[in-house]
Order: sequence, then C-alpha cells, then structure tokens
Amino acid sequence: AQKITQTQPGMFVQEKEAVTLDCTYDTSDQSYGLFWYKQPSSGEMIFLIYQGSYDEQNATEGRYSLNFQKARKSANLVISASQLGDSAMYFCAMRGPSNTGKLIFGQGTTLQVKP
Amino acid sequence: NAGVTQTPKFRVLKTGQSMTLLCAQDMNHEYMYWYRQDPGMGLRLIHYSVGEGTTAKGEVPDGYNVSRLKKQNFLLGLESAAPSQTSVYFCASSWQGRRNQPQHFGDGTRLSIL
Repeated sequence: AQKITQTQPGMFVQEKEAVTLDCTYDTSDQSYGLFWYKQPSSGEMIFLIYQGSYDEQNATEGRYSLNFQKARKSANLVISASQLGDSAMYFCAMRGPSNTGKLIFGQGTTLQVKP
Repeated sequence: NAGVTQTPKFRVLKTGQSMTLLCAQDMNHEYMYWYRQDPGMGLRLIHYSVGEGTTAKGEVPDGYNVSRLKKQNFLLGLESAAPSQTSVYFCASSWQGRRNQPQHFGDGTRLSIL
C-alpha cells in the first residue's frame, strides 16, 4: 500500500530565508508521481510542483524546488526566499501507476513566515 | 476561468438529513474525485470517476453515494447525515489518470452536521 508521511506538523521561517518541508513516501511501484499542494487560510488547494519517479533532475517551479532522493524515498519541498504569502498548509501527495489517477495525501505541514 | 466549482460553500445539517454536493468542471476533464479533509489527516478519497457514467469507491466511501451523469458534473450525496461526516469536502478533476497529471481542486464545501 502507498503511504505519504509528513513529520513536521508546523514550521516557522524568517521572511527571505529558505525552508525545507519534509515528505517521505512508501510504495512498491516503480512508476509514480509526487505532487506538492499549497492550502492558504482561504482554503483552496493550489498545485505547486510535480516530480516523476523516472525524472533524473529535481523539479523546479520558480521559488519552489523538489529535493528528490529516490533511494531514500523522500521528496522534500524547498521554498527559497520565503514571502509572507507563503504562510499556508502544504501537502505532499503521491499518485501510483494505475489509471485511476488517485492521489494519496500526507497529513500536511503548516508553514508560518515571520516578518 | 471557472475551473472546478463546488456548491454550496457552506452548509449546516441536522443528523439524519440528506443533501447533495455539486461539483462542476469546465475543463473537459475525464477524471473527477471527491475528498474529505479532516484536521491532522490530510485529504482522503471518498469516491472517484474515470468518465461519464462511471463511479468507484475510494478510501472512505461509507455513508456517501455519487453520480456522474454528465461529464462535467460529479455529485456527492449524503443520504442520512451523521456528525462524523462533519468535514471540508473537496472536488477535484484531471484530464487523465496518468501519473504526471495534476488534479485541479474546487474551493471546498464546509459541512457541519449537528
């Protein structure tokens, strides 16, 4: 069975500094995808970044990058130059190789950016 | 730019009442999903659909029913609401079920069962 674990319930970071949000996963599949979503206090779910299991390079999207360590089964989100608007809950999710497209989510990490 | 639209946004029900949550997407996506979000538990899949006229159970389907009569709409029903169904409900859609296809989410429905 697939599982996503986010061990940091809450994180603080100073504005303009970088922060790493941890995500580990468990799967026996060789083909899978990893996603990060942001949920601000307004409640919507915003897709941030994707990493495929066969991708050799770490994914990057603007200030977001994914530190993908396949052997360790980790897919940590790195946010560079934190901004006040980055304060939100962040979810790591995984999709397996089946054609159902189902996502398995972690418990989430709440990030607070301090001015 | 509507994307995924959920109605209603808020609802309070009494135990035993029934209701239907509506999800509509205008992106011509084949796949649609219903999740519930509870504190400390992330999002859990209730039911999903891989195309018009199809539905399947997710991780926590008990107490819910769904229908996908039209490609753009995915309905979630509670036949007899229970306090344990108090939650935030999210609908999502994706073009396909391939591993690199992100799901696009609605803004959620906050449901309280008294």
